[in-house]
Formats: sequence, C-alpha cells, structure tokens
Amino acid sequence: GQQLNQSPQSMFIQEGEDVSMNCTSSSIFNTWLWYKQDPGEGPVLLIALYKAGELTSNGRLTAQFGITRKDSFLNISASIPSDVGIYFCAGHSGAGSYQLTFGKGTKLSVIP
Amino acid sequence: KAGVTQTPRYLIKTRGQQVTLSCSPISGHRSVSWYQQTPGQGLQFLFEYFSETQRNKGNFPGRFSGRQFSNSRSEMNVSTLELGDSALYLCASSPGQVIYGYTFGSGTRLTVV
Repeated sequence: GQQLNQSPQSMFIQEGEDVSMNCTSSSIFNTWLWYKQDPGEGPVLLIALYKAGELTSNGRLTAQFGITRKDSFLNISASIPSDVGIYFCAGHSGAGSYQLTFGKGTKLSVIP
Repeated sequence: KAGVTQTPRYLIKTRGQQVTLSCSPISGHRSVSWYQQTPGQGLQFLFEYFSETQRNKGNFPGRFSGRQFSNSRSEMNVSTLELGDSALYLCASSPGQVIYGYTFGSGTRLTVV
C-alpha cells in the first residue's frame, strides 16, 4: 500500500529558530495536509494543499506541495515554545478514496 | 460549535474481551472515520462511514467493526481483544469530502492487559 516517509523523526531546536520537515511518497497524491498533535489530544489541521507547486502559509507556517506530487514540505519560522508537538503529513490519492495516509510524524521540541 | 466527542477517554480491558467505542461528530458532518494510533505504526486507517454506509475499510482483521447511526454518531467494536490492540483510537469527522481535512476527537486510549 501507499507509504509516506516523514523526516526528521525528531528535532530539538532553540526558540526563535526556523524549522523544516518533509514528507515523501512512493506514489502520487492529489492533496497534502499537515496536522499537529499535542499530547493527549487528536491531530489538528494546520494547512491543506491541493495543487502541485502550491505554496500556502498559515501565520508562521508555510507548506508546499511538491511539483512531482510525491512530496511536501512544512516550514515553521521563528519557533516558539507552543510549537512543541508532533507534526504529521497526510496524503489523499484522489477520487474514490475516503481515507488519508499519514506519515509517522516529526516530534518537535523547542528549547527556551 | 461542539467538536468531535469520543467516549470513553480511557479504557482498560482484558485479553479476550470485547469493547465498544463511541464517537459523536460535529453537527452537520456526515462522514466519520476511525484511525488507530500506535507509537510503532503511527496513524492507521480503520474505516470510514458516510450516511450509515461504510465507504472504505482499512487493512485490519474482521475483529474490528463499526457502524454509523442515522444521526451520524458512530461506534467501533473490537472483539476478542489482543495485547496488540492497545492504542489510541481516534475518530474524525468531515462534511463529506476527505480532501478538506478532518476534525479529530481527542481519542480513546485503550489498554489491553
């Protein structure tokens, strides 16, 4: 089945630094989504991408849909302590599919 | 508006027992999906329901089943529990199209002993 490889698995950064993480897939996705999960909670949708090459921002977060449709990137600028959590990418393959395929997550720790 | 509500939040069951988890979606959302989250496998898709019909099923054994009621509330059932079923079970709802993303509940933490 489809698999998403998300990297890095974990990151320790200083407050104020920028962060980059990415997801790659062996197959094409038509939609890429990025979620954040805090401890004890369900994932929360951050950004949705619908077109190859699309670049979308949500505050300090910027995500891009790769040209090949097999990858996506998430950048966080000027990190703050509340950015701590696990970030997941998710892909949707298109019409007829009613599920998302998730990456295994990037655990972000921010050192004040 | 109220979010996705999952009950109970925590459960401890014994191997061989069965369990039922409940999910109330956001009002107006007709699609409910279930995922299993474990540290090793991440988020794995279980099934999706829309207007009481299962549209998609993941690669889980038949011990895992679900249903959706006319008010869009959903339940999932796991029979003959195994230790490996210990996980966070997440329910998510959407108006109908997955591509616009889900709203997840806080999950039910199931521990099988």
